[in-house]
Amino acid sequence: EAGVAQSPRYKIIEKRQSVAFWCNPISGHATLYWYQQILGQGPKLLIQFQNNGVVDDSQLPKDRFSAERLKGVDSTLKIQPAKLEDSAVYLCASSLVVLAGRDEQFFGPGTRLTVL
Amino acid sequence: KNQVEQSPQSLIILEGKNCTLQCNYTVSPFSNLRWYKQDTGRGPVSLTIMTFSENTKSNGRYTATLDADTKQSSLHITASQLSDSASYICVVDNYGQNFVFGPGTRLSVLP
Repeated sequence: EAGVAQSPRYKIIEKRQSVAFWCNPISGHATLYWYQQILGQGPKLLIQFQNNGVVDDSQLPKDRFSAERLKGVDSTLKIQPAKLEDSAVYLCASSLVVLAGRDEQFFGPGTRLTVL
Repeated sequence: KNQVEQSPQSLIILEGKNCTLQCNYTVSPFSNLRWYKQDTGRGPVSLTIMTFSENTKSNGRYTATLDADTKQSSLHITASQLSDSASYICVVDNYGQNFVFGPGTRLSVLP
């Protein structure tokens, strides 16, 4: 079974530039998550999709971050414009479906973003 | 406030030794607690998941315990190997509303 795929693996940009990350979840997984993980910290949820609908985006900085999951499969996360504090690893995860919290999340390898 | 704390922040042990990592949480309602292993440059991988009624669960050389009364969990690693060097993250789930992640414990196993 293929895992969660993310690209690119690494990205270096200057502040105020734009950047986009792509995630392909495990086939058949209805729920998709984007996390931000700053060095030395645990992941922080940015947005959660159930199929192509947003379940939770309360911690997404909507003035600069946006995400979409067209057709309920692949997802893209965009930052525009980027700030220095956006330097982090952006993790995508998927799960079959969230039911009573027993569903396991599978994480992709992440995209390491460096903003100069 | 829903919070997960982990200790120690980092730990260095010699290969073959045992170690125990701690997790304290204040998350309500509580559905389950998960331990993840995150290798450098990789995404987290699930080690164990425990519900309220489970107080111990093993996965090879990894044994997790849960005390739901004191809201504490531990992850015990037996006969450590170099490949155990990673960050170990404790995550508490409150019925899928959200996952509360701890900051992780960075374990280094030296030869």
